[in-house]
Amino acid sequence: QVQLVESGGGLVKPGGSLRLSCAASGFTFSDYYMSWIRQAPGKGLEWVSYISSSSSYTNYADSVKGRFTISRDNAKNSLYLQMNSLRAEDTAVYYCARVIAVAGNAEYFQHWGQGTLVTVS
Amino acid sequence: SYELTQPPSVSVSPGQTARITCSGDALPKKYAYWYQQKSGQAPVLVIYEDSKRPSGIPERFSGSSSGTMATLTISGAQVEDEADYYCYSTDSSGNLLFGGGTKLTVL
Repeated sequence: QVQLVESGGGLVKPGGSLRLSCAASGFTFSDYYMSWIRQAPGKGLEWVSYISSSSSYTNYADSVKGRFTISRDNAKNSLYLQMNSLRAEDTAVYYCARVIAVAGNAEYFQHWGQGTLVTVS
Repeated sequence: SYELTQPPSVSVSPGQTARITCSGDALPKKYAYWYQQKSGQAPVLVIYEDSKRPSGIPERFSGSSSGTMATLTISGAQVEDEADYYCYSTDSSGNLLFGGGTKLTVL
């Protein structure tokens, strides 16, 4: 079955950097768009970024644009999120998710990993 | 900016019908999706494309959409359905949006 396992979270100082990874299994990774979604402690869900199956297209929420970079390695069945210039408000659990795309655009998140906690303090 | 609006909380007794609403101006043209998030767990898709149920989701979960409002209905809510529920949709600009979430209490 579909498995998504995030890693790389931890404690980082404001202004610092962190790289998250998501290992995918149970499906043909290269066939799917992938996304990162985050959830601040006690708060709701916020979409962060998504990437097309071939990495040809990426999209970011305004809150992270210019600071975060999404990428993927289809040979390794892995998704990444490089986070730079981190701020306290980036503190959240970060989930990776498999995306269903329609007409070249991300439509919805079909499966989610268990998340990894990033604390900026 | 575009928003999806949900009530903060809904409370029902076991066996009753729970209805959670989600309003948004783009919903007449865009599908609504619903995610269930139990305490300490990752979200799970329970309704997609307004009213379709993924495999493994109990039949008591159903969805509908009319005009600017989408509704998640849990017919005969169970104690194990207690969770946060988030509606989700897109807008014409390609933004991906979640509602603020609704805490469902079943007791």
